[in-house]
Amino acid sequence: DSGVTQTPKHLITATGQRVTLRCSPRSGDLSVYWYQQSLDQGLQFLIQYYNGEERAKGNILERFSAQQFPDLHSELNLSSLELGDSALYFCASSVAPGAGSYEQYFGPGTRLTVT
Amino acid sequence: DAKTTQPPSMDCAEGRAANLPCNHSTISGNEYVYWYRQIHSQGPQYIIHGLKNNETNEMASLIITEDRKSSTLILPHATLRDTAVYYCIVRSNAGGTSYGKLTFGQGTILTVHP
Repeated sequence: DSGVTQTPKHLITATGQRVTLRCSPRSGDLSVYWYQQSLDQGLQFLIQYYNGEERAKGNILERFSAQQFPDLHSELNLSSLELGDSALYFCASSVAPGAGSYEQYFGPGTRLTVT
Repeated sequence: DAKTTQPPSMDCAEGRAANLPCNHSTISGNEYVYWYRQIHSQGPQYIIHGLKNNETNEMASLIITEDRKSSTLILPHATLRDTAVYYCIVRSNAGGTSYGKLTFGQGTILTVHP
């Protein structure tokens, strides 16, 4: 158990819909990262937050957005869903913003299926 | 961040040491070598990381060559539960736009058999 929690574990929804994925980082970790893992693209970095502020962006679509709240939990919002958005979505956390040799701890993921 | 090259797959007998190689010939001085593994669609699990010196923890050992262009992850006594995809990642320890993101390649599928 990494200490990172994600809800829900599974999500099935239809094209065009909007969903919210939730992540709670490990106690004491200030930085949260979101990754997407699909069969054809592998594990890809989406976005990073540190103490409520966006710090880095990766291959995140405009239809996707995220935020980190004062209690440090984070939410990833996916809208206008397409079949190709079906994937595993992982959240990770670390102590620091990323500079330095800080390891990231990953949650169990949310499996999103868009039908 | 420097690119890494890993063999797509490897086999290992249970109880034997598993030696997973990684090539990172373009690594620069401020880049660390990290190893993660992913067991069947679970969240990636941190294993170990290092800069120059060899490192050991309760899970594995990391051997980095003197020129830092390659490294080897060693699982000393592989078990069936070590069957997973192993990712070698090189990441800068500096700040900047990349910050802490991890860039995953295809990794090595390690299969431990009885």
